[in-house]
Amino acid sequence: DIQMTQSPSSVSASVGDRVTITCRASQGVRSWLAWYQQKPGKPPKILIYGASSLQSGVPSRFSGSGSGTDFALTISSLQPEDFATYYCQQANSFPLTFGGGTKVEIK
Amino acid sequence: QVLLVESGGGVVQRGWSLRLSCAASGFPFGSYGMHWVRQAPGKGLEWVSYIRYDGSAKYYTDSVKGRFTISRDNSQNTLYLQMNSLIPEDTAVYYCAKKKEGDTDYFDYWGQGTLVSVSS
Repeated sequence: DIQMTQSPSSVSASVGDRVTITCRASQGVRSWLAWYQQKPGKPPKILIYGASSLQSGVPSRFSGSGSGTDFALTISSLQPEDFATYYCQQANSFPLTFGGGTKVEIK
Repeated sequence: QVLLVESGGGVVQRGWSLRLSCAASGFPFGSYGMHWVRQAPGKGLEWVSYIRYDGSAKYYTDSVKGRFTISRDNSQNTLYLQMNSLIPEDTAVYYCAKKKEGDTDYFDYWGQGTLVSVSS
C-alpha cells in the first residue's frame, strides 16, 4: 500500500497569510493526487486533482504542485472560510490512501 | 444538482450486520463508479471500497475484505454496502462518494454520511 504523509499536522496562521502544506508518498504516484478540504461535521470537498488542476468553483487562491512523491497545497492568502482540515489522496493505485490531515487553525 | 444521501447506519454489537444505502440523484448514476469512504470519530479519512459503473469490478481495503460487500442497483440509482461481522474498529461515519469523470479515482461529490457505531 502507498503511505501518504502530510506535514505539518497542524498550522496556526492569520487571515492573509500564505500557507503551504506538503504531502509525501511512500512510492511514486505520478500526478495522481488530490487535495480535499473538510470542515467540522461536513463531508470533504475536492479542491485540487491531478496534483495541480483546480476543481471547478474553487477559489484561485488554492494551488497545487508536485509530482512523483512530493506534493504541496498552497493557499496564497488565507481567508476566514479556509480554516479547516486538509487531506491529500493518492489515486495511483488501490487501495486508495489519504494523508493524515493538516488542521489549519486561527492564530 | 448532484445529491447523495446515505442511510442505514446505527448502533450495533460486535458480530452484527448492517446494510448501508446511498441514494443518488442529479447525475447519470449508471455511468459512474462509486466509492465508500469512512472516518472514525476524530480521525482521518479511510477509503473502504469501490465499484465500477457497471458493477464489473470491485475493490476493498484489506481490513474489510471478506466482511463487507459493495453492490449497486443502477435501475434504482442506489449504492449499497453490506457490512457483516462488524467490529468496534468499524465505528465511523460512512460516506458514499462519486468518482470524478475520467480514468482516475478522485471523489468529486460526497454524501453527508451515516454513522455506524459498533460496541464490544
